[in-house]
Amino acid sequence: EDQVTQSPEALRLQEGESSSLNCSYTVSGLRGLFWYRQDPGKGPEFLFTLYSAGEEKEKERLKATLTKKESFLHITAPKPEDSATYLCAVRGGYNKLIFGAGTRLAVHP
Amino acid sequence: SQTIHQWPATLVQPVGSPLSLECTVEGTSNPNLYWYRQAAGRGLQLLFYSVGIGQISSEVPQNLSASRPQDRQFILSSKKLLLSDSGFYLCAWTLSSRGGGYTFGSGTRLTVV
Repeated sequence: EDQVTQSPEALRLQEGESSSLNCSYTVSGLRGLFWYRQDPGKGPEFLFTLYSAGEEKEKERLKATLTKKESFLHITAPKPEDSATYLCAVRGGYNKLIFGAGTRLAVHP
Repeated sequence: SQTIHQWPATLVQPVGSPLSLECTVEGTSNPNLYWYRQAAGRGLQLLFYSVGIGQISSEVPQNLSASRPQDRQFILSSKKLLLSDSGFYLCAWTLSSRGGGYTFGSGTRLTVV
């Protein structure tokens, strides 16, 4: 069964304090691993898609990496506006997107 | 460009009342469509998905149903709401012919009282 586990559940950082979020996955034949950002009361906003081990993608202070069993979302020198819930998901059969529970990130000035 | 519309944004309904949430996609054809529910502080749980008109697959047994009367329209319904149906409902689409991302609507906050 396809499964996604994210850690930690919540993360509190000081502004400028870099860190990483983890996403471990189990899927029969990876056809895409997705990272989304979700602000309170809003729909998830697409960040990255990764398809193969070793792939990396960057956007501003965010960098996503992928291995055969997990993905990391690295946040470099975060700002308060990076505070959000970050969701990881894998594409399963019938193009279903299977999500982890998310990591709630709070960046304090 | 492709857009997805979801309404209403918020809804407060009494227990036992019916429900109809609508989602429409513009600017594309034959999308795969999905309904997710998110409980407070939790991840997204897939409820229904559809790969074509009139085709609906259910992921979990529940008090809800879905329909796809047109190519770009996806409706989530209930005949009698339960308290446990409260949550944040999200519609999403993707194209099966492409390996691209999924786009989500802005969501409906449903509170059953």
